[in-house]
Amino acid sequence: EPEVTQTPSHQVTQMGQEVILRCVPISNHLYFYWYRQILGQKVEFLVSFYNNEISEKSEIFDDQFSVERPDGSNFTLKIRSTKLEDSAMYFCASRPNTEAFFGQGTRLTVV
Amino acid sequence: AQTVTQSQPEMSVQEAETVTLSCTYDTSESDYYLFWYKQPPSRQMILVIRQEAYKQQNATENRFSVNFQKAAKSFSLKISDSQLGDAAMYFCAYSQRNRDDKIIFGKGTRLHILP
Repeated sequence: EPEVTQTPSHQVTQMGQEVILRCVPISNHLYFYWYRQILGQKVEFLVSFYNNEISEKSEIFDDQFSVERPDGSNFTLKIRSTKLEDSAMYFCASRPNTEAFFGQGTRLTVV
Repeated sequence: AQTVTQSQPEMSVQEAETVTLSCTYDTSESDYYLFWYKQPPSRQMILVIRQEAYKQQNATENRFSVNFQKAAKSFSLKISDSQLGDAAMYFCAYSQRNRDDKIIFGKGTRLHILP
């Protein structure tokens, strides 16, 4: 069964460093998303992406964040200068036209 | 703006018993999806069940069923014959029917299964 794949599973980074979280969505899906879940809290929408451009972004998705689909298969989330409060689980999801399929998440720890 | 509310932060149920998790939502749209996602300790988000708003019939997936009350904007999840593997965080979620629309999650209900 096809699945959304995220790498790495855990990333530890120094505050102020750039990180890139990677995702491979399910191949025939057209709609892609990033979500964030701070430990023990709700799952928050960051950004949606369709047809090689952002279709919607939340207030959390400020200028420190960017997304890219560089090669038709990968879908990346870049955080330019990480802050302590960026520590969270980051989920990638892709969607045909009904439910979203989620990756297993990347746990980002900023120290 | 659409919102999803889960008023039960935690619930417990005896193994083999039935439990119902509550969810209400707010929207001015008439065509949308509702979901229940399960998040076990592995933190993976797993779809449990989906309901299309235009369908009057309540969705069912094996031991999982929903009670969808569109007028009341209520969407509860019933788990029958609870098993130890059902222990997880359960998120109620909403999405408009537009294909690229985001999914909005409630705060979740942590379900404990008592042996």
